[in-house]
This record gives sequence, C-alpha cells and structure tokens, in this order.
Amino acid sequence: GAVVSQHPSWVICKSGTSVKIECRSLDFQATTMFWYRQFPKQSLMLMATSNEGSKATYEQGVEKDKFLINHASLTLSTLTVTSAHPEDSSFYICSARDYKGAGGANVLTFGAGSRLTVL
Amino acid sequence: AQTVTQSQPEMSVQEAETVTLSCTYDTSESDYYLFWYKQPPSRQMILVIRQEAYKQQNATENRFSVNFQKAAKSFSLKISDSQLGDAAMYFCAFIIQGAQKLVFGQGTRLTINP
Repeated sequence: GAVVSQHPSWVICKSGTSVKIECRSLDFQATTMFWYRQFPKQSLMLMATSNEGSKATYEQGVEKDKFLINHASLTLSTLTVTSAHPEDSSFYICSARDYKGAGGANVLTFGAGSRLTVL
Repeated sequence: AQTVTQSQPEMSVQEAETVTLSCTYDTSESDYYLFWYKQPPSRQMILVIRQEAYKQQNATENRFSVNFQKAAKSFSLKISDSQLGDAAMYFCAFIIQGAQKLVFGQGTRLTINP
C-alpha cells in the first residue's frame, strides 16, 4: 500500500533558527500533499496544501512567511519553520493521496509526524 | 461549510466488549466519502474504515463496522471484541467528491480496560 515517510520524527532547535521537515511518498507520486499541525489532545489542523510545481495554498491564519512549503518533485514536499519560536513547538503531520492506489483518490495516507520543540 | 462533530471526547470499554463512537457531519453535498482514522500513542494516523456516501450498505472491516445514516448525517463506528491495541484517538472525517480537503472531527479518546 501507499507509504508516506516523514523526517525527522523529532527535532529540537534553538529559538530563532529554521527547521526543515521532509515528507516523501515512497511508492507513489503525489501531486498534492497536505501539512497539518496538531496540538496536544486536539484534532489535526490543516495548515496548507502543497502542490507540485506551484505555490502552496495556505489556510486562513497560517503565516506563509513562517511556514515555507516547497513541493519540488512528485515525491517530496518540505515544510520549513523559519525563525522558530517556542510557540511553534507542535506536532506536524503530512499526508498525500495515491490517486492510482487501491484506496482511490479520496484516501489520505499520513506520515508518522514530526515533533518540533523550540527552546 | 462542512463540519464534523464527535460529541464524545472520551470513551472507555472493557476488553472484549463492544463500543460505539458517534459522529455527525454537516454538508449540503450528496457525493462524499466518510472515514474513521485511528491515532494510537505513536501518533501515526491509520485508516480504520471508509464509507462511500452513495452506498447504502454499511462498511465493515473485521471487528470494525459503521452505522451510516445518510439522512441523519450520522456515521458511527462500532468496535466489537475490543482489544487493548484498540486504545487510541479516533477521528471521524469526510471529504466531498472532487475536493482537496479532508474535514476532521475533534476526536474521541478510547480507553480499553483490561
């Protein structure tokens, strides 16, 4: 089945530095990927839709300059948290659709998530 | 706007018993898909079961089954013979046919008591 790999799974950084999180579709091509943020004991909040070869579409209230998304290939999307601050500490999850997979276009496969801690 | 509501923040059940998690949704569309995702302590989101809105027959996957009531916009998940490994957050979600975004409910934390 479709597999989405997310790396790193856990990152600790100093305030003011930038952190990059990678999301890869391992066995399928993903023209669209999605980035979510999840606070403790809460649901997933969609941050942006990452489109291969074009600009990401951000949800209302998400700072584009803070959360840079690049989708340079059909199998890789990256989320860069720029000038990170403690309030950016969270769990970030990516997902993608395997349009040709058995699950069909409407089934999302999720990465394992990345826990970001900003000191 | 499409919304999903899970009215039970927490549920608990004895091992081997049956538990039902509730979910209601709101949409004016007629063609959509419904899902239950499980998020165990590892936090990896796992698809449990899905239902196409155009299908009247309720989906089943081994011990997991749904009660899909389209007119009532209800989509509950029944877990039979609960196992310790079923302990997790469960999220109800749906997507409109042709749309990009998956809409999630708030989640229900399920505890299995041995």
